[in-house]
Amino acid sequence: NAGVTQTPKFQVLKTGQSMTLQCAQDMNHNSMYWYRQDPGMGLRLIYYSASEGTTDKGEVPNGYNVSRLNKREFSLRLESAAPSQTSVYFCASSRRGGLYEQYFGPGTRLTVT
Amino acid sequence: ELKVEQNPLFLSMQEGKNYTIYCNYSTTSDRLYWYRQDPGKSLESLFVLLSNGAVKQEGRLMASLDTKARLSTLHITAAVHDLSATYFCAVDIDSGYALNFGKGTSLLVTP
Repeated sequence: NAGVTQTPKFQVLKTGQSMTLQCAQDMNHNSMYWYRQDPGMGLRLIYYSASEGTTDKGEVPNGYNVSRLNKREFSLRLESAAPSQTSVYFCASSRRGGLYEQYFGPGTRLTVT
Repeated sequence: ELKVEQNPLFLSMQEGKNYTIYCNYSTTSDRLYWYRQDPGKSLESLFVLLSNGAVKQEGRLMASLDTKARLSTLHITAAVHDLSATYFCAVDIDSGYALNFGKGTSLLVTP
C-alpha cells in the first residue's frame, strides 16, 4: 500500500496564480483532511471531508477550496495565490471509528512569490 | 475554542539523560495523539491514548494521559541521538472530525 500520496512535492507560484494540490489514499478511509504547517505554528486544519460528498471548513479556510472527488481523492485549490499561503501542506486520512488515527502524506512545499 | 499547549517548545538534552514533554489541552477529550516529525519529512504516528490513565511505551518513549487534568506527557528515557526530531501532541475533540495540534517540541539530543 502506498498510504497517502500527494502531488506535487514542491511548487513555486507567483502571486495571483492558481493551482490544485492533489491527495489520494489507498487505505479505504472515509475521512480526509488538509492541513498547513508554518514554522512555530504546528499544523492547522484548512478543510476536511468526513465522508465522500461532504466537506467542511477548518480553522484557516480562507483562500482555499476543496473537492472530494471520490472516496480516494481529496484536492485543495488555491484560486489566487498569496505570499501568506507559502507553507507546507499535508493531506491526511483516517478511518471512521476505532482509533480515528490520522495518516499523513509526504507534504507539498509551496512558495508564493 | 480548544487550545493545545506543549512545553517546552525547544529542548536540548544530552545522550543518556531523561526528560518529559508536557501537553495540556483546554477541552474535554478522550483521544490524544503523539506524532514525530523529522526535518523535511511527514508526521509519523507514535501513540494513540484513548482513556484516562492510558500508558503506552515504545522503546525509550513512554506516553501517558490524565483526562481529568487534561494533561499528557511524553517521557524520554536515556535519550539517544536518533530521537532528535519534533514531537507533536494532538487532541481529537469530535470523534475524528479534526485534530488540534500543539506547536510541537523540537528535541535535539547531543553527545
